[in-house]
Amino acid sequence: DAGVIQSPRHEVTEMGQEVTLRCKPISGHDYLFWYRQTMMRGLELLIYFNNNVPIDDSGMPEDRFSAKMPNASFSTLKIQPSEPRDSAVYFCASSPGLAGVGEQFFGPGTRLTVL
Amino acid sequence: AQSVTQLGSHVSVSEGALVLLRCNYSSSVPPYLFWYVQYPNQGLQLLLKYTTGATLVKGINGFEAEFKKSETSFHLMKPSAHMSDAAEYFCAVSNTGTYKYIFGTGTRLKVLA
Repeated sequence: DAGVIQSPRHEVTEMGQEVTLRCKPISGHDYLFWYRQTMMRGLELLIYFNNNVPIDDSGMPEDRFSAKMPNASFSTLKIQPSEPRDSAVYFCASSPGLAGVGEQFFGPGTRLTVL
Repeated sequence: AQSVTQLGSHVSVSEGALVLLRCNYSSSVPPYLFWYVQYPNQGLQLLLKYTTGATLVKGINGFEAEFKKSETSFHLMKPSAHMSDAAEYFCAVSNTGTYKYIFGTGTRLKVLA
């Protein structure tokens, strides 16, 4: 298996622009997670899905952030409008659920820079 | 509520020396405990995990960790550090019924030649 795939790997945009980050989880994994990593705040869970349904979005910073999972093999995290403070590395992770006893498999991340 | 504390945001050891990275947790129910490693510009990779059973857990790259319930600790150890161990290490906790990890703030390990 190719592992969790994220695109793009790097994104540079200007304040006010819409940004869409993409994730393809490992096939057969029922859970998908979006994290944000910054020097100041460390690794934060933004939202997670189970069988394509959002379960907990309490970590989403504000209404400018939205996430969708239209099918089992694809998820997006959208920021509209983007702000400089959104600059971070965004990770997607997937988990096979009980079979993996909670183990999460992380993608390589998307480094977002908002100018 | 669950929480994880990693003591020491930066740790330096000499090549060949013992590596000890500390992790303490709080959880009202039996926890699942994990150590992940992050190399520069990469995602997190699982080193080892504790769920149930044997309290000394062996992982990849010669790392091991011991679950001590009485001390609420899950410290990560490696007898002899290698230059390739330089990375950031994260401890995390979850438990049955949730797949939501609580991560520690990470410990950056530096290995000196």
